[in-house]
Amino acid sequence: RKEVEQDPGPFNVPEGATVAFNCTYSNSASQSFFWYRQDCRKEPKLLMSVYSSGNEDGRFTAQLNRASQYISLLIRDSKLSDSATYLCVVTPEGGSARQLTFGSGTQLTVLP
Amino acid sequence: DVKVTQSSRYLVKRTGEKVFLECVQDMDHENMFWYRQDPGLGLRLIYFSYDVKMKEKGDIPEGYSVSREKKERFSLILESASTNQTSMYLCASSSPGPFEAFFGQGTRLTVV
Repeated sequence: RKEVEQDPGPFNVPEGATVAFNCTYSNSASQSFFWYRQDCRKEPKLLMSVYSSGNEDGRFTAQLNRASQYISLLIRDSKLSDSATYLCVVTPEGGSARQLTFGSGTQLTVLP
Repeated sequence: DVKVTQSSRYLVKRTGEKVFLECVQDMDHENMFWYRQDPGLGLRLIYFSYDVKMKEKGDIPEGYSVSREKKERFSLILESASTNQTSMYLCASSSPGPFEAFFGQGTRLTVV
């Protein structure tokens, strides 16, 4: 079983739709969680960190469910510019930075 | 803004050639990473460095070596390039915790 698993998609949604992605992780000691965004042929960039209490940044909401070992990303009112691949990243408690573990990404296409 | 710069966007090399990929960061980060990204496999860690002249093998170090003679520069070396090393190579840097990684723009290497 992969350490971090994501549904690869693609998710094709119309503009204005709400879309949610999940990411499951296998290491229960995982401590830090992030969502990265990667545009086609570009480098990944941090979208948001995921806090235990959940957090929101504009149209984006990230949540953590430790009991079921998954994190989620909700995008409301999708824009064409949200089209990208979304990568989830986890690190273990006390682990070294080398233990950043990336999911293989979920591809989102927002359609006009 | 953090800047991570990779020396080339695109490279074409012949089988058996020695290949150098260079990466420079300007944020005085201790940690630097080399990943390769392949469709369906996500980002896989090749090597990690947490200080000058210090390195650790990642998940797929075979066929690669690295050099970190200065804090800002981390080089990836393909000792004898092979076609299965055709990939997108991404360099990243981070400070110690909370492990947000900043990526370079990537080098798309084709070995023919």
